[in-house]
Amino acid sequence: AQSVTQPDIHITVSEGASLELRCNYSYGATPYLFWYVQSPGQGLQLLLKYFSGDTLVQGIKGFEAEFKRSQSSFNLRKPSVHWSDAAEYFCAVSTGGGNKLTFGTGTQLKVEL
Amino acid sequence: DVKVTQSSRYLVKRTGEKVFLECVQDMDHENMFWYRQDPGLGLRLIYFSYDVKMKEKGDIPEGYSVSREKKERFSLILESASTNQTSMYLCASTGTGRYGYTFGSGTRLTVV
Repeated sequence: AQSVTQPDIHITVSEGASLELRCNYSYGATPYLFWYVQSPGQGLQLLLKYFSGDTLVQGIKGFEAEFKRSQSSFNLRKPSVHWSDAAEYFCAVSTGGGNKLTFGTGTQLKVEL
Repeated sequence: DVKVTQSSRYLVKRTGEKVFLECVQDMDHENMFWYRQDPGLGLRLIYFSYDVKMKEKGDIPEGYSVSREKKERFSLILESASTNQTSMYLCASTGTGRYGYTFGSGTRLTVV
């Protein structure tokens, strides 16, 4: 069965600083990978997804993620964080199109002004 | 815009009550899912369905059941609500293929 690890429970960055959120997965084949964001009191919004092809994926709100098969990782990055990026971020993995999503436990991002 | 609608944003129920959480999607998606979200635990899969009248257990199905009589509607049922089922419940749907999963806004259920 697949699994996802987000090793950082909380991260604090200053506005304007760069950001990297870590995600490691466990699955025997190439998974489908996702990053979601959840602002307080809101539902989950899809930031980006990876199915195949180019391992650097661009998403919404200036986020990108890189799939590294050798490290079983799919880390999320943003070059310059805005105060509005403060939220909880979830990495998720699926074994194929339409199959169940398995989530990590989330990383809470705080942005200092 | 694609939508997944959960019928209630907040619910308060008593221990032992039978509780129905409804989810409707307007995207003609085959696949629907129910998750619960708890602080520090992320989202955990309760049940899912790949077709009408079909259901599969997820990772934490105990104390729950589901119903999918129509393609667009997927209901989560708490047969006898308990306080440890107090949580945020999220419904999601997706098509079969390379699609993202669309989530509803969630139902925050409190069992007292």
